[in-house]
Amino acid sequence: SQKIEQNSEALNIQEGKTATLTCNYTNYSPAYLQWYRQDPGRGPVFLLLIRENEKEKRKERLKVTFDTTLKQSLFHITASQPADSATYLCALGDSSYKLIFGSGTRLLVRP
Amino acid sequence: GAGVSQTPSNKVTEKGKYVELRCDPISGHTALYWYRQSLGQGPEFLIYFQGTGAADDSGLPNDRFFAVRPEGSVSTLKIQRTERGDSAVYLCASSLDSTVYGYTFGSGTRLTVV
Repeated sequence: SQKIEQNSEALNIQEGKTATLTCNYTNYSPAYLQWYRQDPGRGPVFLLLIRENEKEKRKERLKVTFDTTLKQSLFHITASQPADSATYLCALGDSSYKLIFGSGTRLLVRP
Repeated sequence: GAGVSQTPSNKVTEKGKYVELRCDPISGHTALYWYRQSLGQGPEFLIYFQGTGAADDSGLPNDRFFAVRPEGSVSTLKIQRTERGDSAVYLCASSLDSTVYGYTFGSGTRLTVV
């Protein structure tokens, strides 16, 4: 069955550093991959989408890479700020319009 | 509306009771999704509507769960004979085109079955 793995351990970094989160998947060939941010008690918020034929996507301080050979996506936040502290979810999609979510990685940015 | 609205925000019910959870999507979004999220887990797909019809209900765990969207806007998720294992946050999302714009989620309904 399809499986998405995100690091279950929290990532703890110093303000100003680059945060890198990993999303690995197996038994799936997604047409696109999305990243969401989720704060406690709130629904996920869409951040970025990258398609299978794209290697990299940027939006302000965010960068996403997508390697369909390695079946992996990396999500980078440069110049991280305490306000970036949240749980980040990756989600895979295909032509069915249904997303399959990973369990998320909690990011904590220390001032 | 400006965002996806879900009511109630919290619901406590006794085992065996019937509950209804409501979702008001963004106006004009034809696609509507229900997901369920347990503590420490990612959202788990339940059902997807395109317009009034359920395009994919493969995630509904059993026949106690049912969802409707009669006029292609507001949707209601209905759970019969609730069990303690149904306790979770139920998230609704809508989208114009999820392959371009992603989903817009509501804040969810936290269901607790006691």
